[in-house]
Formats: sequence, structure tokens, C-alpha cells
Amino acid sequence: GAVVSQHPSRVICKSGTSVKIECRSLDFQATTMFWYRQFPKQSLMLMATSNEGSKATYEQGVEKDKFLINHASLTLSTLTVTSAHPEDSSFYICSARDLAPSSYNSPLHFGNGTRLTVT
Amino acid sequence: AQTVTQSQPEMSVQEAETVTLSCTYDTSESDYYLFWYKQPPSRQMILVIRQEAYKQQNATENRFSVNFQKAAKSFSLKISDSQLGDAAMYFCAYITGTASKLTFGTGTRLQVTL
Repeated sequence: GAVVSQHPSRVICKSGTSVKIECRSLDFQATTMFWYRQFPKQSLMLMATSNEGSKATYEQGVEKDKFLINHASLTLSTLTVTSAHPEDSSFYICSARDLAPSSYNSPLHFGNGTRLTVT
Repeated sequence: AQTVTQSQPEMSVQEAETVTLSCTYDTSESDYYLFWYKQPPSRQMILVIRQEAYKQQNATENRFSVNFQKAAKSFSLKISDSQLGDAAMYFCAYITGTASKLTFGTGTRLQVTL
């Protein structure tokens, strides 16, 4: 089956530093990737939609200058949390839509998530 | 606003018994897909079952089946012969052709007891 690799699985950083999270589709191409944030015991909240070769589309209330998304290839999207603060501590999950077949209802494959802790 | 509501924060079922998880949604679109995802303690999101809105027949996947009531905008998940491995958070979600992104419900934590 389709595999999405998300790295790192856990990261601890100091307040004020930046951290990059990678999301890779290993055996398929993905023109669209999604980034979610999940607080403990809560649902997944969509942060942004990442489109290969173009600017990401951010959900209302998500700071695009704080959460930088780059989707430079059909298999890689990155989320960079800039100037991280303790309130950014959360679980971040990516998902990727298979290019073929390309439709809004094409299967979404999820990464294993990244637990970010900002101290 | 498009929303998904799961009114049961927690549910419990005995092993081998049947449990039904509730979900209602709100969309003005006619073309959409509905999903149930499972999130075990590993936090991996696992697709359990999906339903096309244009299909009247309820989807089934082995022990998992749905009761899709389009007019009522209801999409419940039935788990038969519950197993210990079914213990997880379950999220109802939908995607529309217009938005092209998954909207998740608040989740139901399912416990399976011996």
C-alpha cells in the first residue's frame, strides 16, 4: 500500500528556534499534501493545503509566516515552524493525495505524525 | 460552515459485542464522500470505511458497516464482534468536491473490555 513517511517522529526544540518537519510519499506521487495539527484528545485541525510548485493555501487563523510550507517536488512537502514557542507544542500530521487517480476523493495517505515539544 | 458532529466522546463495548458510533454532518453540497478513520495509540490514521454520498447502499468492510441516512445527514459506524484491537479514537470525516479537503469530527474514544 501507499506509504507516507513523516520525519522526525519526535522533536524537542528551544523557544525561539525553528524546526522543520518532512513529509514524503514513498511509492506514489502527490500533487497535494495536507498538514494537520492535533492537540491532546482533540481532533485533527487542517492547517494548510500544500500544492506542488505553488504556494500553500492556509486555513483561517493559521499564520503563514510562522508555519512555512514548501512543496518542491511531487514526493516531498515540508512544514517549518519558525520562532517556535511553547504554545506551538503539538502533534503534527501530514497526509498526501495520490496523483493517480487525481480526484478530490482519491485516497489520502497519512504520515505517522510528529510530536513537537517546545521548551 | 461545514461541520461534523460526533456526540459520543467515549464509548465502551465488551469483546465480541456490537457497538454503534454516531456521526452527523452538515453540508450544502450534493457531491461528497464520508469516511470513518481509526486512530490507535500509535497516532497513525487508518481508514476504516468510506461511503459515496450518491450511493444508497451502505458500505461494509468485514466487521465494519455504516448506516448512511442522507436526508438526515447521519453516518453511523457499526462494529460487530468487537475485538481488543478495535480500541482507538474514531473520527468521522467528509470531503466535498468544492473544498477538496477532509473535515473531521471531534472523535469518539472506543474502549473494548473483556
